[in-house]
Amino acid sequence: EDQVTQSPEALRLQEGESSSLNCSYTVSGLRGLFWYRQDPGKGPEFLFTLYSAGEEKEKERLKATLTKKESFLHITAPKPEDSATYLCAVRYIKAAGNKLTFGGGTRVLVKP
Amino acid sequence: GAVVSQHPSRVICKSGTSVKIECRSLDFQATTMFWYRQFPKQSLMLMATSNEGSKATYEQGVEKDKFLINHASLTLSTLTVTSAHPEDSSFYICSARDRTVTDTQYFGPGTRLTVL
Repeated sequence: EDQVTQSPEALRLQEGESSSLNCSYTVSGLRGLFWYRQDPGKGPEFLFTLYSAGEEKEKERLKATLTKKESFLHITAPKPEDSATYLCAVRYIKAAGNKLTFGGGTRVLVKP
Repeated sequence: GAVVSQHPSRVICKSGTSVKIECRSLDFQATTMFWYRQFPKQSLMLMATSNEGSKATYEQGVEKDKFLINHASLTLSTLTVTSAHPEDSSFYICSARDRTVTDTQYFGPGTRLTVL
């Protein structure tokens, strides 16, 4: 079954405490893995797209990496403003209409 | 970056009335838009795919007569919740697919619907 699983479900960090979020997928024919950030009561904000294993993207304190089975979102020296829910989603060949399949999200709370 | 707007951001209505939500891509043309529903502390649930100039494709279990979708132009899609009931209360989010460069879905800010 085609699935996207994110772990952990929730993560509490102290400011400056680096950590990684995981997104594992069991789809075949990956056509893109997307990371979004969502603040409470708002729509998801696009962060990164990764297309092939070995690819890495960086933006400020965030770095996304991709392997053939999973993606990691590394948060380096997080600040309280990095608190949000991080969503990953995949687009794959069998999914009709270019739709995305989302994982359950990881809620990150960074304490000062 | 690509910007998607939604209107209204918040709506409260009485049971039995219909509510229309607009989704606009402001700086790019979107042949495909998507409508999602999100419950508290849950991930996004795709309701339907909206294609400009053609009928929407609904996900399994989503009532097409209940949630009417119209994609009349390359920058506008609308979702109408017909005869709304309290169980339709939710956070509705649209996204628009930008086919240039990264072929990415960009999301609107969402609409909070409360049906009394």
